[in-house]
Amino acid sequence: EAQVTQNPRYLITVTGKKLTVTCSQNMNHEYMSWYRQDPGLGLRQIYYSMNVEVTDKGDVPEGYKVSRKEKRNFPLILESPSPNQTSLYFCASSLLPIGYGEQFFGPGTRLTVL
Amino acid sequence: TQLLEQSPQFLSIQEGENLTVYCNSSSVFSSLQWYRQEPGEGPVLLVTVVTGGEVKKLKRLTFQFGDARKDSSLHITAAQPGDTGLYLCAGVAQGGSEKLVFGKGTKLTVNP
Repeated sequence: EAQVTQNPRYLITVTGKKLTVTCSQNMNHEYMSWYRQDPGLGLRQIYYSMNVEVTDKGDVPEGYKVSRKEKRNFPLILESPSPNQTSLYFCASSLLPIGYGEQFFGPGTRLTVL
Repeated sequence: TQLLEQSPQFLSIQEGENLTVYCNSSSVFSSLQWYRQEPGEGPVLLVTVVTGGEVKKLKRLTFQFGDARKDSSLHITAAQPGDTGLYLCAGVAQGGSEKLVFGKGTKLTVNP
């Protein structure tokens, strides 16, 4: 089954404790993206990747890192999480350039930083 | 950051009514997409429009991209309870590479 998987689905952590949210797709898509969704602010792009080893900042990259060492994986790293990073996070992948083709979204990761 | 202003923010209507959701910007967009999101799930793409003036239909949903590629609308005819959800517009600004900007969404409730 074609899908985007994210882990963990739910995470409660404390300020400053490094964490990684994994994202994996099995569709051989070149384009991948991370978004956060907050009430009243909607979905905002954090980082995106056009291919292996090619990543760029979205609208809200501060406090986040990403890597794309393999085509299928695009982990989101929070080196020192803070309470303002409490949010619902979505990973997505697409065959065509972002915004022009169908993006397949993962199920989301709900992160709480205390 | 290029903004996409969506209106209305909330919409509650009766089954069978028609409705229109708007997505406006002062910037030109190379592409514009509409998504629908159910609670607890990721957004699902409904349509992509790339040509100014383009109109696309998906059953009872009609999508239009403005001639100047600064605005878009989603019209639903004879709404049904199954249309209930969060509708999001998203676009890539001209020259914006792969940066996708989302509107804040329209929460639609269709009452039986």
